Amino acid sequence: GQNIDQPTEMTATEGAIVQINCTYQTSGFNGLFWYQQHAGEAPTFLSYNVLDGLEEKGRFSSFLSRSKGYSYLLLKELQMKDSASYLCAVKDSNYQLIWGAGTKLIIKP
Amino acid sequence: IAGITQAPTSQILAAGRRMTLRCTQDMRHNAMYWYRQDLGLGLRLIHYSNTAGTTGKGEVPDGYSVSRANTDDFPLTLASAVPSQTSVYFCASSAREGAYNEQFFGPGTRLTVL
Repeated sequence: GQNIDQPTEMTATEGAIVQINCTYQTSGFNGLFWYQQHAGEAPTFLSYNVLDGLEEKGRFSSFLSRSKGYSYLLLKELQMKDSASYLCAVKDSNYQLIWGAGTKLIIKP
Repeated sequence: IAGITQAPTSQILAAGRRMTLRCTQDMRHNAMYWYRQDLGLGLRLIHYSNTAGTTGKGEVPDGYSVSRANTDDFPLTLASAVPSQTSVYFCASSAREGAYNEQFFGPGTRLTVL
């Protein structure tokens, strides 16, 4: 079966750095997405990785290792507004997105 | 309209009733999707449409139907609602099917079936 694993919840301090991990087992691979979802709102796109390595976009970076079935989202200089759930999703061989359950990130002052 | 709209925002429905959730996008995207989101589970695909006039089944299609008469609209119908269909429903669209095509999401419909 297809599976995406991420931690259920993480806590970090304002101004710090946090890494959210995602491991996947899917039938085929056509890219990995990270989305942010604030409570009660819709998911919004953060990043896309299809090749191994690090993609940096401002305070957010995303890393992919296809051989290990592993990705992480790195958030730097945490702000209170970063409190949200972070969803990892993989496009499988049918180009359908398979979603993880999300990681709820709690930022403390 | 800017992006994707969904209606209603929330609904309480008696079991056995028929319900249509509406979704409209103004981005001229070819592909549209319906997901449900339940606590502790990832988004699960119900139905999708890669282009107007075509639809396909996702991971959890039973009890739901869709139509895609034109590019902009993609309604989801529950023929006879059951309590297990209580969920938050998100409609999404992308420019086209394919590897790199981010999906844009509507604000969601919170449905409670009693």
